[in-house]
Amino acid sequence: DVKVTQSSRYLVKRTGEKVFLECVQDMDHENMFWYRQDPGLGLRLIYFSYDVKMKEKGDIPEGYSVSREKKERFSLILESASTNQTSMYLCASSFMLRENTEAFFGQGTRLTVV
Amino acid sequence: AQTVTQSQPEMSVQEAETVTLSCTYDTSESDYYLFWYKQPPSRQMILVIRQEAYKQQNATENRFSVNFQKAAKSFSLKISDSQLGDAAMYFCAYRSAKNNDMRFGAGTRLTVKP
Repeated sequence: DVKVTQSSRYLVKRTGEKVFLECVQDMDHENMFWYRQDPGLGLRLIYFSYDVKMKEKGDIPEGYSVSREKKERFSLILESASTNQTSMYLCASSFMLRENTEAFFGQGTRLTVV
Repeated sequence: AQTVTQSQPEMSVQEAETVTLSCTYDTSESDYYLFWYKQPPSRQMILVIRQEAYKQQNATENRFSVNFQKAAKSFSLKISDSQLGDAAMYFCAYRSAKNNDMRFGAGTRLTVKP
């Protein structure tokens, strides 16, 4: 079974803190994604990566950065957390350029910034 | 970027009845893939069904089937013989064959009444 593991299920951080959300996958997938999920807005793509050290901006990259030093790990970084970044964060991974392949998801991290 | 629209924030169905969830998308590409994902209260995203854009035949997975209308850019999900376990958020997703990213709609919350 494909496994995508996010480091925390729930996280509470203070405004201004630097926050790291970690994601690890065990299926040798090339692509990894970070989404933010908010009620009524669905999943919005923050960043994705198709290779080590490569990254592409999604629809809402402002206030976020990412790091992919190893193929299996993709980190989302909130440089200075703000209350409007309180949300559910979902990590996903998939194969690249293979027909009909879906993304596999982690269990989500519910981040609260106070 | 491609956009995915789910116009029904909430839907309700009686157990054993049939329900259809709507999804439209906007793209200029000819090669792409479409997916329906289910997110139960556990938050784990689960793939329900997938469709390749080049295939005219509608995908079917047991009680789940799609109505794919490429010219109309429409991709609806039909759930037959609805069960209590079908209650969840359902997300429609578009995956580009060109750049590998995936975009999601805002979701439809399905309630199944006993």
